[in-house]
Amino acid sequence: QKEVEQNSGPLSVPEGAIASLNCTYSDRGSQSFFWYRQYSGKSPELIMFIYSNGDKEDGRFTAQLNKASQYVSLLIRDSQPSDSATYLCAVWTSGSRLTFGEGTQLTVNP
Amino acid sequence: GAGVSQSPSNKVTEKGKDVELRCDPISGHTALYWYRQSLGQGLEFLIYFQGNSAPDKSGLPSDRFSAERTGGSVSTLTIQRTQQEDSAVYLCASSLAGTEIYEQYFGPGTRLTVT
Repeated sequence: QKEVEQNSGPLSVPEGAIASLNCTYSDRGSQSFFWYRQYSGKSPELIMFIYSNGDKEDGRFTAQLNKASQYVSLLIRDSQPSDSATYLCAVWTSGSRLTFGEGTQLTVNP
Repeated sequence: GAGVSQSPSNKVTEKGKDVELRCDPISGHTALYWYRQSLGQGLEFLIYFQGNSAPDKSGLPSDRFSAERTGGSVSTLTIQRTQQEDSAVYLCASSLAGTEIYEQYFGPGTRLTVT
């Protein structure tokens, strides 16, 4: 089992829709969770982080964490073509490092 | 302020040659990480420096890979006797400290191609 798994893509949504990106992790002791966005040919940039169970909202982005289910998700409301990118889920594991999923490629169609 | 910088941005080398990749972290950041990203893949952890502590080298794929960080700032990743499977984008990141509450900021990466 991979330490961090993301839903297989690519994911395609129409402009204005909600995009839902999912991630599960295997280390039950993980405490911190990060979502990075990576445009093609560019380096990852942090979108959001979440530490506590529940929802955390920042503009059009909402991160959701359920530690009991070892599940974290990212919702993008009112998706825009500029949101088209690969989204990387990263989990801070007990090994004192960030472990990344392989990413989900999102395409928002105008 | 200035972000994480890396050089060179692109490097093409022949199989068997040694290469050095450089990372300049954000000023004041004590933690520095190296990752590797192969085409279409996620980020693979390579090595982690925190202040003056011994680095966590557990992600280095072979003894051909080594890294150092001088004066708690600039870091160099060295790959000896490069192989074609070493071709990837090498990303450096830094954070205020190496704990779970500080986000990592990435540099633009070095694209390494081994021919």
